Amino acid sequence: DTEVTQTPKHLVMGMTNKKSLKCEQHMGHRAMYWYKQKAKKPPELMFVYSYEKLSINESVPSRFSPECPNSSLLNLHLHALQPEDSALYLCASSQETVPSPGNTIYFGEGSWLTVV
Amino acid sequence: AQKVTQAQTEISVVEKEDVTLDCVYETRDTTYYLFWYKQPPSGELVFLIRRNSFDEQNEISGRYSWNFQKSTSSFNFTITASQVVDSAVYFCALSEISLQGAQKLVFGQGTRLTINP
Repeated sequence: DTEVTQTPKHLVMGMTNKKSLKCEQHMGHRAMYWYKQKAKKPPELMFVYSYEKLSINESVPSRFSPECPNSSLLNLHLHALQPEDSALYLCASSQETVPSPGNTIYFGEGSWLTVV
Repeated sequence: AQKVTQAQTEISVVEKEDVTLDCVYETRDTTYYLFWYKQPPSGELVFLIRRNSFDEQNEISGRYSWNFQKSTSSFNFTITASQVVDSAVYFCALSEISLQGAQKLVFGQGTRLTINP
């Protein structure tokens, strides 16, 4: 079983709605990630938080707003999304005592988002 | 730039056959790390293996084995005696540190493996 927990598993929202995706890990990891995955495509990095500070924003539109309340939690706030934003949103974490390409990144089960 | 190529989009085999998934990478780094992940229909990306560029020994874990060859920039994955539960999308990925100093994975396009009973 994954130690990265994401809620909700499925979300359907209208284009005017405000919703949030939540992610939690209790592995003591200090780096947390949001990836977006469209159907039949590989995951694409959206945001990276390192020690609760945003370190990467991959030019993501402002209708996606990340938040890292503490070292175990990561949220993704959604507002005024478009149908093309429908995708699987994956949260992940890694130990990252120091930034290293050798850290193993562990993923959650994902949140399936449909924008109608 | 880092790049990972998984040329096999889809593979379909009958249960108990052996199957090899190919992964070719490009990097200018002398130290780098490669990963394989499995993604079943549920969506979760399951970590399978990590390999660094200095360790060219092949790895075996049960029915899974990995062949890392720096000379051909390949990191291939073989499943022996495949089972229906092996059906999934498999991603090969190269890890890098971005200009902003954080780790990111560069994924291949993935190979969809179907094991038929």
